[in-house]
Amino acid sequence: DVKVTQSSRYLVKRTGEKVFLECVQDMDHENMFWYRQDPGLGLRLIYFSYDVKMKEKGDIPEGYSVSREKKERFSLILESASTNQTSMYLCASSSPAGRGSEAFFGQGTRLTVV
Amino acid sequence: GQSLEQPSEVTAVEGAIVQINCTYQTSGFYGLSWYQQHDGGAPTFLSYNGLDGLEETGRFSSFLSRSDSYGYLLLQELQMKDSASYFCAVRGNYGQNFVFGPGTRLSVLP
Repeated sequence: DVKVTQSSRYLVKRTGEKVFLECVQDMDHENMFWYRQDPGLGLRLIYFSYDVKMKEKGDIPEGYSVSREKKERFSLILESASTNQTSMYLCASSSPAGRGSEAFFGQGTRLTVV
Repeated sequence: GQSLEQPSEVTAVEGAIVQINCTYQTSGFYGLSWYQQHDGGAPTFLSYNGLDGLEETGRFSSFLSRSDSYGYLLLQELQMKDSASYFCAVRGNYGQNFVFGPGTRLSVLP
């Protein structure tokens, strides 16, 4: 059974804290993605990576950074958490275009910044 | 830039047919997909159109017209369990990423 696993289902952090969200996939996928989901706004792309140590900004990268040191792991970092980063964070992975058409999602991390 | 539009809400009764439309703007188009998400769950893949035309998967069908930058998801013989949010997504930027629409919340009534 293919799997994308996010390290936490729920997190509560204080304003100004550095926050790490971890994502691991077991499908040997080249592409990995981080989205945030807010009511009425759908899924918005924060960052994506198409190879180890490669990263590309998505639509809303401000306040976030990412790390991909190993193919199976893609980390999202909130350098200094703020209340407007309270959201559901979804990690996904996929094969490159032409070798697969589907994105596989983790169960999400609901982050609350207080 | 890349953007998608779809209706925010659709309501239908059990056994009916419903169509959810999606229009998109993207560079380097590489296909249109549809995902289903139940409350509290992760999005799950439903269908993919890389070429113009209709793709059928059981009760669900999806259509794409690349010249019109338009697609739709057709759900037949609606069941209560189909109540969920449905997202269209383009594989844009020459296949590098997936960009999602805002989602359509489908409510199926008895």
